[in-house]
Amino acid sequence: GAVVSQHPSRVICKSGTSVKIECRSLDFQATTMFWYRQFPKQSLMLMATSNEGSKATYEQGVEKDKFLINHASLTLSTLTVTSAHPEDSSFYICSAVTGYEQYFGPGTRLTVT
Amino acid sequence: TQLLEQSPQFLSIQEGENLTVYCNSSSVFSSLQWYRQEPGEGPVLLVTVVTGGEVKKLKRLTFQFGDARKDSSLHITAAQPGDTGLYLCAGAKPGANNLFFGTGTRLTVIP
Repeated sequence: GAVVSQHPSRVICKSGTSVKIECRSLDFQATTMFWYRQFPKQSLMLMATSNEGSKATYEQGVEKDKFLINHASLTLSTLTVTSAHPEDSSFYICSAVTGYEQYFGPGTRLTVT
Repeated sequence: TQLLEQSPQFLSIQEGENLTVYCNSSSVFSSLQWYRQEPGEGPVLLVTVVTGGEVKKLKRLTFQFGDARKDSSLHITAAQPGDTGLYLCAGAKPGANNLFFGTGTRLTVIP
């Protein structure tokens, strides 16, 4: 199957700082990637759709100025959590589309202290 | 309101037992995918079904897509401890490639 990587796998940052998470499709090109957030013992919540070469599409209730998404190439999308607060602590997962299937990265555990 | 409802939400069974997980919706999907997720990891794709009534088998796992493409089921035969995990169904609406995830079923298989 297709492989998607995320970096870092875990990050701890102080309140008020910004954190960048990278999502890469390793063996295929993806014009579309997705960013999800997952709270403990819950399902995945779609945050935004990342489109290569154009602006991301955000789901209702997701602040686009807080969660900056850049999809600069066909294999890389980044999510930057700006001015992070403790309530932003969560498990962030990206996925990349090939054909009609989505393949997920291993996730990034963000802890804001 | 969740577009896809899974049942049961939690399931704890003994090794060797059979089980079925259901994924239901009132919406039609062009495709439906099943994933398994381990704690602290991303979901891993198990199968994709695209045709109404389609049945796919993956070793001891049998997946079925409803005739009307609104629901799906996952049946596991002779469950093993390695089957433990969070099972997620996810559907794609016609003309779109974003997925709507189900509520999830957390399975525990006791040795």
